[in-house]
Amino acid sequence: GAGVSQSPSNKVTEKGKDVELRCDPISGHTALYWYRQRLGQGLEFLIYFQGNSAPDKSGLPSDRFSAERTGESVSTLTIQRTQQEDSAVYLCASSLYAGADTQYFGPGTRLTVL
Amino acid sequence: KQEVTQIPAALSVPEGENLVLNCSFTDSAIYNLQWFRQDPGKGLTSLLLIQSSQREQTSGRLNASLDKSSGRSTLYIAASQPGDSATYLCAVSNTGNQFYFGTGTSLTVIP
Repeated sequence: GAGVSQSPSNKVTEKGKDVELRCDPISGHTALYWYRQRLGQGLEFLIYFQGNSAPDKSGLPSDRFSAERTGESVSTLTIQRTQQEDSAVYLCASSLYAGADTQYFGPGTRLTVL
Repeated sequence: KQEVTQIPAALSVPEGENLVLNCSFTDSAIYNLQWFRQDPGKGLTSLLLIQSSQREQTSGRLNASLDKSSGRSTLYIAASQPGDSATYLCAVSNTGNQFYFGTGTSLTVIP
């Protein structure tokens, strides 16, 4: 693909429901990142995958948040029992490898929890 | 934890003017620093990446400088155009993996 894609572009859900967000990185990119951007705030790092290494989960705000990635392909971010404070734009980025290369961002998924 | 601050939060300039956006960070032991632009409803686009060993990077009308010892970076935009209107974000990494973002500067270039 030409760039990082994310789906859905918008998601409205009710408080307490689970949601799953998807990210398709650029083919061949070994590193994948998830960020959250709340209204009027900067991006918050959530989780980082590098190849088949154990992910860096240090940014996940609670145990309701989890993410998976199979090899160097698609990643899914799951939020269980959503709360209103989870409302934000969730951005995914990928890079050829960690550190030395720039990150390419997807358009994001706007999550609204009612 | 690295903290990144961007000043000003918003800036409005007439077309053709040169301008400077500022970014400061609290931990000078950085791996690299990136400047991004974010357009409404879209993802981020990387503008310039400066490694910790570099002092500046240039791309077209953009020039980014890095002063690690003082914890500062500036993004200089020459001869601004209406198409430059966007939010500009500064991001700092200490390890190359996890990036810390500022809250951005919202730039409006008036035709």
